[in-house]
Amino acid sequence: GAGVSQTPSNKVTEKGKYVELRCDPISGHTALYWYRQSLGQGPEFLIYFQGTGAADDSGLPNDRFFAVRPEGSVSTLKIQRTERGDSAVYLCASSLKGLRGGELFFGEGSRLTVL
Amino acid sequence: GEDVEQSLFLSVREGDSSVINCTYTDSSSTYLYWYKQEPGAGLQLLTYIFSNMDMKQDQRLTVLLNKKDKHLSLRIADTQTGDSAIYFCAEKDDYKLSFGAGTTVTVRA
Repeated sequence: GAGVSQTPSNKVTEKGKYVELRCDPISGHTALYWYRQSLGQGPEFLIYFQGTGAADDSGLPNDRFFAVRPEGSVSTLKIQRTERGDSAVYLCASSLKGLRGGELFFGEGSRLTVL
Repeated sequence: GEDVEQSLFLSVREGDSSVINCTYTDSSSTYLYWYKQEPGAGLQLLTYIFSNMDMKQDQRLTVLLNKKDKHLSLRIADTQTGDSAIYFCAEKDDYKLSFGAGTTVTVRA
């Protein structure tokens, strides 16, 4: 596609439920990032994929969060047993080669609201 | 996040210049970035500067870098209503970006 696509754009769920957020990066981009943006804050790094593998998942807040990228393209961020504090906009970004000479292209985000 | 700091709000009159300031902590950062976020939209890269440069100009945008003080600024000349947005400063931390909390710029007529 022309840009990074994220679905759903909005998700409302109840506390304790399971949620999946999808990211479709720009075709050919090997690097994929998930960030979380809480209200009034800047984006916070969650996880970075280079190809199919998670090269750095140090930003995932706890073991309820997990992300996969099985074929090196589309990625899914999975949140188990959601809590109200998980409410935020989850941003996905992709890059041709990580940040070596390239920029991060961001999607419009998935807004998650946990009631 | 916490390693990149910005003032939170800026109000500017249409036609005036806007200056947004940022301080960062990682002296080894090779690139520093400015991103723009409009309501309901993703982040858009505005400009970036390599750490061996002091200044970069791109049309109405001027980036100044003071590496000694770890201070970065973005000047927008002739600010327009379409410039109203949140502006994020970010530093390159190896293969990822670390962002500030953002400066909300409001342009008034």
